[in-house]
Amino acid sequence: SYVLTQPPSVSVAPGETARITCGGINIGARNVHWYQQKPGQAPILVIYYDSERPSGIPERFSGSNSGNTATLTISRAEAGDEADYYCQVWESSSDHFVFGSGTKLTVL
Amino acid sequence: QVQLVQSGAEVKKPGASVKISCKASGYTFTNYHLHWVRQAPGQGLEWMGIYSPSGGNTQYAQKFQGRITLTGDTSTSTAYMEMSSLRSDDTATYFCAKDVAGSRGYPFDYWGQGTLVTVPS
Repeated sequence: SYVLTQPPSVSVAPGETARITCGGINIGARNVHWYQQKPGQAPILVIYYDSERPSGIPERFSGSNSGNTATLTISRAEAGDEADYYCQVWESSSDHFVFGSGTKLTVL
Repeated sequence: QVQLVQSGAEVKKPGASVKISCKASGYTFTNYHLHWVRQAPGQGLEWMGIYSPSGGNTQYAQKFQGRITLTGDTSTSTAYMEMSSLRSDDTATYFCAKDVAGSRGYPFDYWGQGTLVTVPS
């Protein structure tokens, strides 16, 4: 099945830009969604279809997808952005969803 | 407002079965798919399968094929996930999640609060 690879952790200073990657073979040809999950809570959709933001998600969150890497970018990082982030794609050939392994974002 | 409210925590013996409910409100139950996702302690998200309330169709991740059954009751807007032959490594929090647009491949915009299932070794 399709494999999505994320770095286990990313650190960023407050006010700086965090970039979380999601690697997959020709992932640029797929639609990528991103979720934020804080401890003890259900995930929240923060980016869908590579770069679309749901209502209520700050403009600081953006996404891109090309080639073999999709990227979630969090500008002007805040302490409240500390969370685990997961990428997700739909594998149409098998009619299955796949999640990335997750990245823990630390705002130092 | 849209809500997905799941049943409470369960403790099951190895080899037993568990059935978790997910009661939906605030939207038309039959217009959207419901997915089930699990998360073992300290681990990532794992997609388990999809249930389509409009026709009762299901699709399961290969890993869970034959061991889980997804069903629903449109009269009560409730979806169910039943897992059999439980093992200690099934200890996890199980989430239901509604998709955005009722078609395959759409992301999940609302999630249940999660149900912790513990299977002591």
